[in-house]
Amino acid sequence: ILNVEQSPQSLHVQEGDSTNFTCSFPSSNFYALHWYRWETAKSPEALFVMTLNGDEKKKGRISATLNTKEGYSYLYIKGSQPEDSATYLCAFFVGAGSYQLTFGKGTKLSVIP
Amino acid sequence: DADVTQTPRNRITKTGKRIMLECSQTKGHDRMYWYRQDPGLGLRLIYYSFDVKDINKGEISDGYSVSRQAQAKFSLSLESAIPNQTALYFCATSDLPIAGGYTDTQYFGPGTRLTVL
Repeated sequence: ILNVEQSPQSLHVQEGDSTNFTCSFPSSNFYALHWYRWETAKSPEALFVMTLNGDEKKKGRISATLNTKEGYSYLYIKGSQPEDSATYLCAFFVGAGSYQLTFGKGTKLSVIP
Repeated sequence: DADVTQTPRNRITKTGKRIMLECSQTKGHDRMYWYRQDPGLGLRLIYYSFDVKDINKGEISDGYSVSRQAQAKFSLSLESAIPNQTALYFCATSDLPIAGGYTDTQYFGPGTRLTVL
């Protein structure tokens, strides 16, 4: 079983603050790293899929970077808003015939107005 | 209309009962998955299917079975429910990987909250 770690487990930030959190994953046999956003009482929704070392993706105020050599990805939120409150999940894509996503436990972000 | 639907959305049952959770999708995807989510844990894969004739066990398949009735339908059964199967269950779908890539973005249903007393 692959180990995908996310930190911190939860955090609270003030509206307007920028924040970031980390996903660590096995650096060998890398295929892809996914980020999902999961709002309470809703379904997880895909944010980014990252496949290449050095990849940077951006969607509005949210961006992500990828370092496959050292096995980590950062998710950044600039100027946090209350609607950013959600659990952010990363998932490591397992190739080699199984093609499964292994999810981390998530980082729960609460943005305080 | 939602692309991935799950029924029921909430279910309370008793220990020992057989229960089926159903998932339907209109995305035309070949791949379907069942996950469970427990507080403090990540999404864990129960079973997955890459087409109607292909069923695979995931990380935590014990106590569960599945049926892929059609490309669009994938059901999860608990043959004899037990309290530690109380969880939030998600169905998801994905398309075949883009040639040469392994992105496999998954699209989730709204979840079924199951309580086993």
